[in-house]
Amino acid sequence: DAKTTQPNSMESNEEEPVHLPCNHSTISGTDYIHWYRQLPSQGPEYVIHGLTSNVNNRMASLAIAEDRKSSTLILHRATLRDAAVYYCILRDGMENQGGKLIFGQGTELSVKP
Amino acid sequence: DTGVSQDPRHKITKRGQNVTFRCDPISEHNRLYWYRQTLGQGPEFLTYFQNEAQLEKSRLLSDRFSAERPKGSFSTLEIQRTEQGDSAMYLCASSLMYEQYFGPGTRLTVT
Repeated sequence: DAKTTQPNSMESNEEEPVHLPCNHSTISGTDYIHWYRQLPSQGPEYVIHGLTSNVNNRMASLAIAEDRKSSTLILHRATLRDAAVYYCILRDGMENQGGKLIFGQGTELSVKP
Repeated sequence: DTGVSQDPRHKITKRGQNVTFRCDPISEHNRLYWYRQTLGQGPEFLTYFQNEAQLEKSRLLSDRFSAERPKGSFSTLEIQRTEQGDSAMYLCASSLMYEQYFGPGTRLTVT
């Protein structure tokens, strides 16, 4: 499984944008980039995913580098509720709709009021 | 609440005892996953089912662990002869497409 590298921790101020980086230099052509987050004392929750183009949804935006070796999860206005561990995960698209998630250490985001 | 429920939420057991956890996925989801998470680490994959078939099992899963999903609905994870190293959060997830929905987990403490 291809690996991802994320900073261990980041800090943000409330109501400011947050850019969470992820490096995946060994990504293959069929790997999708998925982001999950885990709030304290909860199971992980899906945030967003993409293949090549930038993606937006109600939670966040995903910016993918042209060479796909890195990506950035963007929270446009951080709230206190966004304090969580954010995981960047590669999933082989050839597995179609299934397949396990391989979690790394993730980035622990703290949000200051 | 994601719609995935797990029971019990907490379990304390003595070393050597057997424990069983239950997961009820979202009803139309055909895939069900079990993960284990220890403090400060990301979740670690254990096994997954498509309907009632167990399609993959982690090499890290010892013979003391067994999982079932009869009739492709709920699933159980049993740990026999528990050891202190089994203390962890056991997470269940279900999916229909690409997104996995996680339950709240069962926290196991082995004394």
